[in-house]
Amino acid sequence: EDQVTQSPEALRLQEGESSSLNCSYTVSGLRGLFWYRQDPGKGPEFLFTLYSAGEEKEKERLKATLTKKESFLHITAPKPEDSATYLCAVQSGSGNTGKLIFGQGTTLQVKP
Amino acid sequence: DSGVTQTPKHLITATGQRVTLRCSPRSGDLSVYWYQQSLDQGLQFLIQYYNGEERAKGNILERFSAQQFPDLHSELNLSSLELGDSALYFCASSTSVSSPLHFGNGTRLTVT
Repeated sequence: EDQVTQSPEALRLQEGESSSLNCSYTVSGLRGLFWYRQDPGKGPEFLFTLYSAGEEKEKERLKATLTKKESFLHITAPKPEDSATYLCAVQSGSGNTGKLIFGQGTTLQVKP
Repeated sequence: DSGVTQTPKHLITATGQRVTLRCSPRSGDLSVYWYQQSLDQGLQFLIQYYNGEERAKGNILERFSAQQFPDLHSELNLSSLELGDSALYFCASSTSVSSPLHFGNGTRLTVT
């Protein structure tokens, strides 16, 4: 069964204090690993897709990396507006479906 | 704005009742997905439709059903509602099985 585990559950940072969020996964044939950002009362907002080990993607202060067992979302010099819940999800290569299996998320709070 | 529209935004109803949630996907997207998000369960996949046909099924209760119409909008029907059905229900759409899912802002269902 496909599984995604994110850690930590919650993270508090000072503005400018860099850190990383972890997403470990087990999946039968990874088609893609996805990172989303979710603000309270809103739907998840797509950030990145990673397809193979060694791949990296960047967007502003965020950088996502992928290995065969886990992915990291690195946040460099975060700002208060980066506060949100970050969700990791996997897409399995088995079956003709694009459904995503999500982790529980990491809730990030960045204090000024 | 993801381009995915969900109505209504909020729904308050009593136990035993039936409700219908509506979703309009992004223009051109043939796949529609339904997810349930509760505090203790995270984002749980319910069901996927592709161009009017059911493509994948997740942990969807027998009291719940969905369909996708010829104009590609989708409806999720929830019947014999219980207190535990209170949650955020999200719809998402995608272009293909390898594409990221784009989420609407959800319908918050409260069962009293």
